[in-house]
Amino acid sequence: EDQVTQSPEALRLQEGESSSLNCSYTVSGLRGLFWYRQDPGKGPEFLFTLYSAGEEKEKERLKATLTKKESFLHITAPKPEDSATYLCAVQGVNYGQNFVFGPGTRLSVLP
Amino acid sequence: ETGVTQTPRHLVMGMTNKKSLKCEQHLGHNAMYWYKQSAKKPLELMFVYNFKEQTENNSVPSRFSPECPNSSHLFLHLHTLQPEDSALYLCASSQEGQGTNEKLFFGSGTQLSVL
Repeated sequence: EDQVTQSPEALRLQEGESSSLNCSYTVSGLRGLFWYRQDPGKGPEFLFTLYSAGEEKEKERLKATLTKKESFLHITAPKPEDSATYLCAVQGVNYGQNFVFGPGTRLSVLP
Repeated sequence: ETGVTQTPRHLVMGMTNKKSLKCEQHLGHNAMYWYKQSAKKPLELMFVYNFKEQTENNSVPSRFSPECPNSSHLFLHLHTLQPEDSALYLCASSQEGQGTNEKLFFGSGTQLSVL
């Protein structure tokens, strides 16, 4: 059974304190790994797609990396506006458009 | 309007009520989805429509009934719900759907409370 786990469940950082979020997955053939950001009371917003091990993507203070078993979302010098829940999802080759989501990491960045 | 719009934003209903959730996408996409998001649980896929045809029903109880009259509109009809059905219901769309690396565009959701 394909699974996605994320750690930590919650993370509190001081403004400027860099850290990483982890997404571990098991899937029978990876089509793509996706990162989303979700603000309270809103739907998830797309951040990145990674397709193969070794791939990296960057957007402002965020960088996503991918290995064969996990993905990291690195946050460099975070700001309070980076506070949100970050969701990881995988799409396996056997599923078509059916994504498997992780439970998310709730990030709080304190000023 | 742009993106994916869901109405209502909040809904409180009794167990014997009948209500409907509405979703409209203005992105020209061909696939639409309903997801359920409960506290501290991963998003659960409920239904998928691809070119107006239902291609996935993820073992959802019959008290949830989807309807997709065209590629831009998606409804979720609710009747005789249970308190455990209280959750955030998210609508999403994607460009093409089946077999592609499609990112999802989500609406803001309907927060449903069943009393």
